[in-house]
Amino acid sequence: EAGVAQSPRYKIIEKRQSVAFWCNPISGHATLYWYQQILGQGPKLLIQFQNNGVVDDSQLPKDRFSAERLKGVDSTLKIQPAKLEDSAVYLCASSPGVAPSYEQYFGPGTRLTVT
Amino acid sequence: AQTVTQSQPEMSVQEAETVTLSCTYDTSESDYYLFWYKQPPSRQMILVIRQEAYKQQNATENRFSVNFQKAAKSFSLKISDSQLGDAAMYFCAYRSRGLYGGSQGNLIFGKGTKLSVKP
Repeated sequence: EAGVAQSPRYKIIEKRQSVAFWCNPISGHATLYWYQQILGQGPKLLIQFQNNGVVDDSQLPKDRFSAERLKGVDSTLKIQPAKLEDSAVYLCASSPGVAPSYEQYFGPGTRLTVT
Repeated sequence: AQTVTQSQPEMSVQEAETVTLSCTYDTSESDYYLFWYKQPPSRQMILVIRQEAYKQQNATENRFSVNFQKAAKSFSLKISDSQLGDAAMYFCAYRSRGLYGGSQGNLIFGKGTKLSVKP
């Protein structure tokens, strides 16, 4: 079965520009997560979707970050405008359901560099 | 709020030897899951092993095993017969056992331990 797909793999932008990341979860997976991983730290949840509804976005900086999951499948994460501190790896993960017994499957991530 | 602490930023092991990575966590919950994830330079997070807090028996997956001490809130990973392919960042993670969504559904990670394997 195909894994979680993410694009692009790398992105370099200047501060104040906008950027968007795309994630395609494993087919049939209802839950989708976006994590931010700053260099030298573990991933931190930004937003969690259950189908096309938001379950948890408490740690999403909503003044500049937005995310959507169209038709409960693919998802996009957008940053506008970007700041230097947004430089990080953005990981997408999916799981069959919400229950913690379900394993989360991670994509390869997108490395963002803001200059 | 739950926290996960990995006190070893870097560890090194000789090929074929055994190494133990440490992890402690803080929670007021009595039921939860603990995980060890491996992240190679490719950045893909790979699940290594999972422990359910209500199970007293330590989880084992081939060369990987854990020492789960619930009272001490300690969850260490032992890698036996280390191989060159084991070199990676290792993250300890916590997840609440709640059946429904919200913050119970996501993983809380430590800062990671970088493991080097010497030939």
